[in-house]
Amino acid sequence: QQPVQSPQAVILREGEDAVINCSSSKALYSVHWYRQKHGEAPVFLMILLKGGEQKGHEKISASFNEKKQQSSLYLTASQLSYSGTYFCGTNTNAGKSTFGDGTTLTVKP
Amino acid sequence: EAGVAQSPRYKIIEKRQSVAFWCNPISGHATLYWYQQILGQGPKLLIQFQNNGVVDDSQLPKDRFSAERLKGVDSTLKIQPAKLEDSAVYLCASSFGTGGDYGYTFGSGTRLTVV
Repeated sequence: QQPVQSPQAVILREGEDAVINCSSSKALYSVHWYRQKHGEAPVFLMILLKGGEQKGHEKISASFNEKKQQSSLYLTASQLSYSGTYFCGTNTNAGKSTFGDGTTLTVKP
Repeated sequence: EAGVAQSPRYKIIEKRQSVAFWCNPISGHATLYWYQQILGQGPKLLIQFQNNGVVDDSQLPKDRFSAERLKGVDSTLKIQPAKLEDSAVYLCASSFGTGGDYGYTFGSGTRLTVV
């Protein structure tokens, strides 16, 4: 079953923070995050395996709450280059992944 | 390292015509995937290969779509005959193990327009 992402869209000014959520109705094995710019391929950001860990990638980090079956992506001090659509992919096992419909982030000067 | 290569980048065909897409994954990645991404939606799995064997093709419309991965390296995805609803971006992805353990590296995709 497809994970649900929220919000669908967010508009920020440079330097502001954002949180994007990804929720599943099923117990999760892993969650992975991607950023896709218009007309380009999704780019892998990070993967979180069950265990409630948090990971960081520059000023972008994520958490995984396996009890709540959800993950959150945190973008701090947003830069113009952060604009794009963010997708979460979820796995109930190591095999098949299901992707959310994305959250569009627009960072304005 | 070189990324996932796909061709062509764009294709416009008439309905009922056939079309083929090509993908060359990252060297050493045993797992290869074809995804369909309709505008405004997330990628949806069509087929997954492990080396040259099919792992999951449960969501592949087999009456019109076919895919192969000969010699466990590059892959082709074919649509015959195409329908208007096949208009989408077709993404190829590869993974060192499985996407659930390592995530995916996606190619730039082929944007298909069926008119």
